[in-house]
Amino acid sequence: DAGITQSPRHKVTETGTPVTLRCHQTENHRYMYWYRQDPGHGLRLIHYSYGVKDTDKGEVSDGYSVSRSKTEDFLLTLESATSSQTSVYFCAIKRESTDTQYFGPGTRLTVL
Amino acid sequence: AQSVTQLDSHVSVSEGTPVLLRCNYSSSYSPSLFWYVQHPNKGLQLLLKYTSAATLVKGINGFEAEFKKSETSFHLTKPSAHMSDAAEYFCVVPHPGSGGYNKLIFGAGTRLAVHP
Repeated sequence: DAGITQSPRHKVTETGTPVTLRCHQTENHRYMYWYRQDPGHGLRLIHYSYGVKDTDKGEVSDGYSVSRSKTEDFLLTLESATSSQTSVYFCAIKRESTDTQYFGPGTRLTVL
Repeated sequence: AQSVTQLDSHVSVSEGTPVLLRCNYSSSYSPSLFWYVQHPNKGLQLLLKYTSAATLVKGINGFEAEFKKSETSFHLTKPSAHMSDAAEYFCVVPHPGSGGYNKLIFGAGTRLAVHP
């Protein structure tokens, strides 16, 4: 357990609406990540952060933005949700001492 | 470029029999390698990690994996399956980048079913 919580855990929304998912960590890690999980694809990186206000894109970043104004919180925003963004979203932190990522419990998002 | 291929999308075993989940990797250098497990409707849990200290790595819940550079493989095994082992398993290789953030490259996953 790496002290990661995600909220909400489940959300249903409509196409075209903005959605924000929150990842909260309690261990003061510098690196945080957002992934999406889809059948047959494993997990794919959306965005990551290497410090407050320091973020960068992953491999599937189109349609997503992130913000990190505090060390403990990493927000993922879907600017205008589409049905293709229906997925399970996982947040992760990296423990630098072991160079290992640990994952939160996930958020299941359905876009109708 | 780093990549991983999990050779079986589904594996089915009987309780008490051995488990073998196969993973091949591609890397331009000797990588770290991970196995993560995901139980239904749960997050991912680290099962074990290879870091070049030893080719045979022991993980949690009786699992182990052997790194074979000549075969570019990192197969996951367990001598005797338990019903609670039913889950999806992911083989993962880090892709180092600038600033050391290490993007993770995931295999597509292997779903393990365990029958009584």
